[in-house]
Amino acid sequence: DVQMTQSPSSLSASVGDRVTITCQASQDISDYLNWYQQKPGKAPKLLIYDASNLETGVPSRFSGSGSGTDFTFTISSLQSEDIATYYCQQYDNLPLTFGGGTKVEIK
Amino acid sequence: QVQLVESGGGVVQPGRSLRLSCAASGFTFRSYGMHWVRQAPGKGLEWVAVISYDGSNKYYADSVKGRFTISRDNSKNTLYLQMNSLRAEDTAVYYCAKGSGSYYLGAFDIWGQGTMVTVSS
Repeated sequence: DVQMTQSPSSLSASVGDRVTITCQASQDISDYLNWYQQKPGKAPKLLIYDASNLETGVPSRFSGSGSGTDFTFTISSLQSEDIATYYCQQYDNLPLTFGGGTKVEIK
Repeated sequence: QVQLVESGGGVVQPGRSLRLSCAASGFTFRSYGMHWVRQAPGKGLEWVAVISYDGSNKYYADSVKGRFTISRDNSKNTLYLQMNSLRAEDTAVYYCAKGSGSYYLGAFDIWGQGTMVTVSS
């Protein structure tokens, strides 16, 4: 199975800060990597697909990059509505696997 | 609008069975792979199973293999998860999710609201 290691597990930042989350795969997954946002009590929402493509309707302050084993998710200017847990997910191999999540809070 | 609505969750005793349903609308259900993803209380997301657009291919997480069965009825635009021999560790919110491709490749681009399954005596 492909293990996805996400870091940090949590972070606290101020409104307007740049926030970066990393996701490392245990083997080369090319760009078969997606990012999701989950707000408390809600279903996850797709933000980024294929490592760097912004899902329709998602604000441009969200971005993703990387390929192979190392990936980065960035919020360029954190907003209060971005408080959530963010997950990476690979689809290069079955079983599909998620990272452990990063909880983003406002400082 | 594009929508997935799960049903069938509840409280069940260990060893018993439960069947979840997911009604799809607003898109061509028969063209896409469909998934079940679960989330135990206070924990992260765990992928459970996938079924291809026509039902010919299925794959399961090791944690549910041999106990859970994913199926679909394209005439009813409905996805199912038959859960047998339930264990306490199966307690979770179960989400159905639409795949962006015909089987497992791609992203989960639409999610249901989730249905809670509690396994307890």
